[in-house]
Amino acid sequence: GDSVTQMEGPVTLSEEAFLTINCTYTATGYPSLFWYVQYPGEGLQLLLKATKADDKGSNKGFEATYRKETTSFHLEKGSVQVSDSAVYFCALSPRAGTALIFGKGTTLSVSS
Amino acid sequence: SQTIHQWPATLVQPVGSPLSLECTVEGTSNPNLYWYRQAAGRGLQLLFYSVGIGQISSEVPQNLSASRPQDRQFILSSKKLLLSDSGFYLCAWSADRGSGNTIYFGEGSWLTVV
Repeated sequence: GDSVTQMEGPVTLSEEAFLTINCTYTATGYPSLFWYVQYPGEGLQLLLKATKADDKGSNKGFEATYRKETTSFHLEKGSVQVSDSAVYFCALSPRAGTALIFGKGTTLSVSS
Repeated sequence: SQTIHQWPATLVQPVGSPLSLECTVEGTSNPNLYWYRQAAGRGLQLLFYSVGIGQISSEVPQNLSASRPQDRQFILSSKKLLLSDSGFYLCAWSADRGSGNTIYFGEGSWLTVV
C-alpha cells in the first residue's frame, strides 16, 4: 500500500547550519506530496507542497523537490534558525478525495 | 477565509469514562473532515474521515466512534475510555476536490486517560 518513510530523529543542528530531512514514498499513480510542521504544543501547519513530478515547493526558506525517479521529497533549508525547532512531517495524498498518509515525523532541534 | 476549531484543548479523564471532542469548520461547505491521533513516537494515525453528513469511514478498529451531524461539524466519541486512548487528537478538513488535497488542521486536543 501507499506509505511514507522519513528519516529518524532527532536532528540537532547549530544555528545557520544546512538542513536536510529525507523523505521517500511508495505510491501508485501520481500522488501529491506535502511537508507539515508542528511547533511545540500546537497543531500541524502546512509548510509546502508539490503536486506533480519536478515541482518544487518552497516556503519560509524551506524547499523540497518532487523526484519521481527516486520517489523522494527531501526537505532542505540553507540556514536554520532556533525558531525552526519543531517536528516535521512528510505526507502524501494518493489521489483527490483521500486522506493524507503521514510519515512518523522528524524532530529538529536548533541551538544558538 | 476558512477556519477550524476543536475543543476542549486539554482534558484528563478516568478510565471507563465517556469522551466527546468536537470540531467545527467555518467558511467552506461540504468539506472532507478527518480525525487523527498522534501518540508519542508513532506519528499521525488516521482514525476517521467523512465526505458528507452521516458518512463516516473508520480506518482503525477501536473503542472510538465519530459522527457528523451537520455539514461542518465532526465529533469524536467514546463510551468507555482506555489508558491507550491517551494522545493528541487532531481534527482536520480539506476541500472536497482540488487544492491538491491539502489538509488543514485544528489546534489539537490533549487527552490524558488516568
